[in-house]
Amino acid sequence: QPVLTQSSSASASLGSSVKLTCTLSSGHSGNIIAWHQQQPGKAPRYLMNLESSGRYSKGSGVPDRFSGSTSGAVRYLTISNLQFEDEADYYCDTWDSNTRVFGGGTKLTVL
Amino acid sequence: EVQLVESGGGLVQPGGSLRLSCAASGFTFSSYWMHWVRQAPGKGLVWVSRIKSDGSSITYADSVKGRFTISRDNAKNTLYLQMNSLRADDTAVYYCVATFEYWGQGTLVTVSS
Repeated sequence: QPVLTQSSSASASLGSSVKLTCTLSSGHSGNIIAWHQQQPGKAPRYLMNLESSGRYSKGSGVPDRFSGSTSGAVRYLTISNLQFEDEADYYCDTWDSNTRVFGGGTKLTVL
Repeated sequence: EVQLVESGGGLVQPGGSLRLSCAASGFTFSSYWMHWVRQAPGKGLVWVSRIKSDGSSITYADSVKGRFTISRDNAKNTLYLQMNSLRADDTAVYYCVATFEYWGQGTLVTVSS
């Protein structure tokens, strides 16, 4: 089954940009992934799904500041013009015919 | 407006049972794969189980196989999770999720004596 690896933490300054990574395990570099945001004390929220081609499709109401990209087995979530409300945990997930797996999550701090 | 509303959580003793429900509205429930995902206190998201739109395909995480049963009633737009032989490490907030797109607000299950 696929394994997703995320950095445990990241930080960036208000108004700057940050690029979070999600790396797919060997043999799964073609998988579609989804990115989710979980603000403190809240349920997760779907942000986008991201294909191996780099094409992405965002959920309803997701600001333009959020974008996705791909390089090989690595899927990126870029957040531009960081706002304090972007401080949250970010999870990627993927699936195959038998299972669905989440990455360990990245805690983003906005300085 | 899409809504997923979980219910049925609570405090249960080890070895006990609970049945979670998830009431869906605002989208065509019968067209979506549905999932249960859980989150232990202070930990990350963990997938638990999924069921195909028509109920014809079901899979479980190894950690719950044989103890949990997922089901759905498309006429009632409701997803269920029957949890038996509960253990302390099943303590978590349980979320229902439509494909990867729509999340409920979660219901807390605490397994403790």
